[in-house]
Amino acid sequence: EAGVAQSPRYKIIEKRQSVAFWCNPISGHATLYWYQQILGQGPKLLIQFQNNGVVDDSQLPKDRFSAERLKGVDSTLKIQPAKLEDSAVYLCASSLVRLMNTEAFFGQGTRLTVV
Amino acid sequence: AQKITQTQPGMFVQEKEAVTLDCTYDTSDQSYGLFWYKQPSSGEMIFLIYQGSYDEQNATEGRYSLNFQKARKSANLVISASQLGDSAMYFCAIVDSNYQLIWGAGTKLIIKP
Repeated sequence: EAGVAQSPRYKIIEKRQSVAFWCNPISGHATLYWYQQILGQGPKLLIQFQNNGVVDDSQLPKDRFSAERLKGVDSTLKIQPAKLEDSAVYLCASSLVRLMNTEAFFGQGTRLTVV
Repeated sequence: AQKITQTQPGMFVQEKEAVTLDCTYDTSDQSYGLFWYKQPSSGEMIFLIYQGSYDEQNATEGRYSLNFQKARKSANLVISASQLGDSAMYFCAIVDSNYQLIWGAGTKLIIKP
């Protein structure tokens, strides 16, 4: 079974530029998550999708971040314009159903550096 | 609001010894789940073990076991016979009734040969 795929693995951009991250979840997984993990901290949920609908985006900085999940499968996360404090690892995860007694599977993440 | 506390920022353990990683949680939910994940330097989060709030038995998965003390709101991870490949960050997380994962700050475990 293929895992969660993310690209790119690394990205360096200047502040005020735009960047987009892509995620392909495990086939059949209805729930998809985007997390931001700042160095030395645990992940912080940015947005959660159930199929192609948004379940929770309360911690997504909507003035600069946007996300969509196309046809309930792939997802993209965009930052426009980027700030220095956006430097972090962006993790995508998916689960078969909404979490309670089933684990989430994570991709390897995209490490973003904003200079 | 749910909260996870991991009080050990870092730990050094001799290879083949057992290690206990601490995790305490705070929640007002009756139904919740607790997860432990491992994050090696490659960055991927790897699921280790799960404990449901209504599970009476402590969860075990190979060398991993969870010391679940519900009254103390404690869910410590025990790794038996540690190996060099166990060196990584370890995160405790709770899933609440809104199906959200709330994470601790993590513990960096280094296994010494």
